[in-house]
Amino acid sequence: DTEVTQTPKHLVMGMTNKKSLKCEQHMGHRAMYWYKQKAKKPPELMFVYSYEKLSINESVPSRFSPECPNSSLLNLHLHALQPEDSALYLCASSQGQGRSGANVLTFGAGSRLTVL
Amino acid sequence: EDQVTQSPEALRLQEGESSSLNCSYTVSGLRGLFWYRQDPGKGPEFLFTLYSAGEEKEKERLKATLTKKESFLHITAPKPEDSATYLCAVRVNSGGYQKVTFGTGTKLQVIP
Repeated sequence: DTEVTQTPKHLVMGMTNKKSLKCEQHMGHRAMYWYKQKAKKPPELMFVYSYEKLSINESVPSRFSPECPNSSLLNLHLHALQPEDSALYLCASSQGQGRSGANVLTFGAGSRLTVL
Repeated sequence: EDQVTQSPEALRLQEGESSSLNCSYTVSGLRGLFWYRQDPGKGPEFLFTLYSAGEEKEKERLKATLTKKESFLHITAPKPEDSATYLCAVRVNSGGYQKVTFGTGTKLQVIP
């Protein structure tokens, strides 16, 4: 079983809905990430949090709003999404952002989002 | 702009037929190259990290190598359970932080 837990596993929402994706890790990792993966494509980085502060935002549209309430939790708030936002959303964590093996990403199983 | 390209896109092997996957990269300031395995509908699973040209890592039937421009994932005598998409990723500096960018992946199918 993965040590990064994502909920829900599947989410279907309309374009006017507001929903959230949740991610939790208890490995003591201090960096957390959101990636988006479309079918048959590689994961694309969206956001990076380091020590609970947003450190990287890859020019993601404002309809995606990340939140890191504490070092173990990462949320992705969704509002007014478009059908093209349908994808697998992956959360990952790492011990830190240093050079060593501490920077290996551990991924969750993902949340499959469908926007109607 | 940093680029990571993997080849081939798809590879079909008979069980026991060894082969290699390629990952070519053009980045400024490589801070590590990773190999991951991804099964359908699941998150990527970490395999190896390589930091320096000439470095090699092995795990069961897999061996990863690194040069200044590319990395290879060698698969020796593969089994059907090795079927998956193999992703390489590079870590580079970005505004004082480090980010990990993935290549396009190679989908491997091993036929019994």
